[in-house]
Amino acid sequence: DARVTQTPRHKVTEMGQEVTMRCQPILGHNTVFWYRQTMMQGLELLAYFRNRAPLDDSGMPKDRFSAEMPDATLATLKIQPSEPRDSAVYFCASGLRSGTEAFFGQGTRLTVV
Amino acid sequence: DAKTTQPNSMESNEEEPVHLPCNHSTISGTDYIHWYRQLPSQGPEYVIHGLTSNVNNRMASLAIAEDRKSSTLILHRATLRDAAVYYCILRDGRAGGFKTIFGAGTRLFVKA
Repeated sequence: DARVTQTPRHKVTEMGQEVTMRCQPILGHNTVFWYRQTMMQGLELLAYFRNRAPLDDSGMPKDRFSAEMPDATLATLKIQPSEPRDSAVYFCASGLRSGTEAFFGQGTRLTVV
Repeated sequence: DAKTTQPNSMESNEEEPVHLPCNHSTISGTDYIHWYRQLPSQGPEYVIHGLTSNVNNRMASLAIAEDRKSSTLILHRATLRDAAVYYCILRDGRAGGFKTIFGAGTRLFVKA
């Protein structure tokens, strides 16, 4: 059963620390999305990639956030330094092509204290 | 990006049909209408999508207005497991149109 895998599922860290979240997209999918979900803002699109190249990262705070795809099986989202306002659930999703569905992972719940 | 408008919440009785409306008056000719839902403590999951014609799958039906400015997701028999937030989204079908923006969605409550 193909699925998007995110690690870790939960992360508690202190303010100022670096946080790295990982995502393994479904094999063969060429589009990867990163979303952040909070009670106040709902689901926000942070960035998305096609064929490992960033297409749009306008939703991402550039000073502390970075997203990369080192290879086709791994996408990473880093926050450095982390702040309490970054506390949220971060979702990764992958898809095959425009107009078709995206498949979401279970999310990483990040708490910055 | 074209926007969608949905009611904040709806309530249904178990085993009755549910019609979840969505308005998208600024839809363009290449926009697909997608529906996702998010169960508690889970990531969003795909429900159904369509372009112009009505669509059916094992989860739901999608009825699209003739002018495409609105659509309705139909759950034929609501169960308690269908209690979730339902999102109506427009996705550009052109090559490179991958951007998927979620709105606030409709929270569906199902009563036993």
